[in-house]
Amino acid sequence: QVQLLESGPGLLKPSETLSLTCAVSGYSISSTPYWGWLRQPPGKALEWIGTFHHSGMSFYTPSLKSRVTISVDTSKNQLSLRLKSVTAADMAMYYCARQSTLVATFDIWGQGTNVIISS
Amino acid sequence: EIVLTQSPLSLPVTPGEPASISCRSSQSLLNRNGYNYLDWYLQKPGQSPQPLIYLGSNRASGVPDRFSGFGSGTNFTLKISSVEAEDVGVYSCMQALQTPYTFGQGTKLEI
Repeated sequence: QVQLLESGPGLLKPSETLSLTCAVSGYSISSTPYWGWLRQPPGKALEWIGTFHHSGMSFYTPSLKSRVTISVDTSKNQLSLRLKSVTAADMAMYYCARQSTLVATFDIWGQGTNVIISS
Repeated sequence: EIVLTQSPLSLPVTPGEPASISCRSSQSLLNRNGYNYLDWYLQKPGQSPQPLIYLGSNRASGVPDRFSGFGSGTNFTLKISSVEAEDVGVYSCMQALQTPYTFGQGTKLEI
């Protein structure tokens, strides 16, 4: 059974760097080329942050592109997200998800990790 | 970027009755391969989103057949033939035609 588990600091101060990891179990992260991060601010719609492809090319939403990096560590079977210079607008539930190669659907999601930004 | 507009945003329903949610796109989601890159997700209370429908009309694995997706181009509809209590949650459409992938605002279905 494929499981994704996000982890990271639940509380950051403005201007700090957010670092999240997503541990994949029951499945080799190398078996699927596309892995993504999404988020959902309180009371707002889901937002796609970016998708990592095993070619090394990543795709990011334009509003975050200058601050975000997504990477995969196949030796640890995990996905990572780094978001620099966070502000209150980055406060959200963050999800990692596997993205289907053929149809681009996010077919398996992690449980999510809540991130609070406060001074 | 492609904007998705859902309606209604709130949908009170009675168990056993049908329900319908609309998702309209600011541009066609029909790919040259003939498929519409529109997905539907359900986020049950306290859970992460789960896929319901992909490519506009295909049920994801394990999704009951009371859920159906229709539409093409810019107009899409999710229909539940007979709502059950376990269907409560927020339904969101997502376009996967081009990056940035975008979501609708979400429709809260409540009994």
